[in-house]
Amino acid sequence: QQQVKQSPQSLIVQKGGIPIINCAYENTAFDYFPWYQQFPGKGPALLIAIRPDVSEKKEGRFTISFNKSAKQFSLHIMDSQPGDSATYFCAASRTDNYGQNFVFGPGTRLSVLP
Amino acid sequence: EAGVTQFPSHSVIEKGQTVTLRCDPISGHDNLYWYRRVMGKEIKFLLHFVKESKQDESGMPNNRFLAERTGGTYSTLKVQPAELEDSGVYFCASSQQTRNTEAFFGQGTRLTVV
Repeated sequence: QQQVKQSPQSLIVQKGGIPIINCAYENTAFDYFPWYQQFPGKGPALLIAIRPDVSEKKEGRFTISFNKSAKQFSLHIMDSQPGDSATYFCAASRTDNYGQNFVFGPGTRLSVLP
Repeated sequence: EAGVTQFPSHSVIEKGQTVTLRCDPISGHDNLYWYRRVMGKEIKFLLHFVKESKQDESGMPNNRFLAERTGGTYSTLKVQPAELEDSGVYFCASSQQTRNTEAFFGQGTRLTVV
């Protein structure tokens, strides 16, 4: 029940394409769903996050779509650029009064070709 | 403002030796988390400090791992004795103790046990 599934494992798109990464969770107590972006040699950095009271959130070229009934959420990257090439992790957590312990997906390695 | 910093960035040790990883969180962040990513799999939660107290250590693999956070500032994670399966990248993250707050990750320590 603590697992977060993520697909695909790797993804290659041309510049300007729209890569889509999908995640699914089981624990209905999760109430915070962030996406992290990681470049080689760096730690994961928060890209965008959503809570289950909305179905979509957009920040710049990045959009999260959230389907509460299906317990699925996805990341869309519009007009992808070579600089977007990185590993993307979806995550989920249950917020309590103290903080958020994340359950991460296994990651998707995205390559955007020039 | 300095981010989360981890030392060392890389460590190669022999099986049976002891290694201590250090994490300096962002100043003022009461929450401190340790995570580990093994062999390209998901990033897994190890434990969570609130100030100097262990809030949740359910992810610690076994009693060869000892985490401390003296005075609620920096934290150390000691592995003694190290085993081959302990190899991976150890991440530290910190956040403020408020709802809807972002967790900031360090660059990680790559541990290789040979």
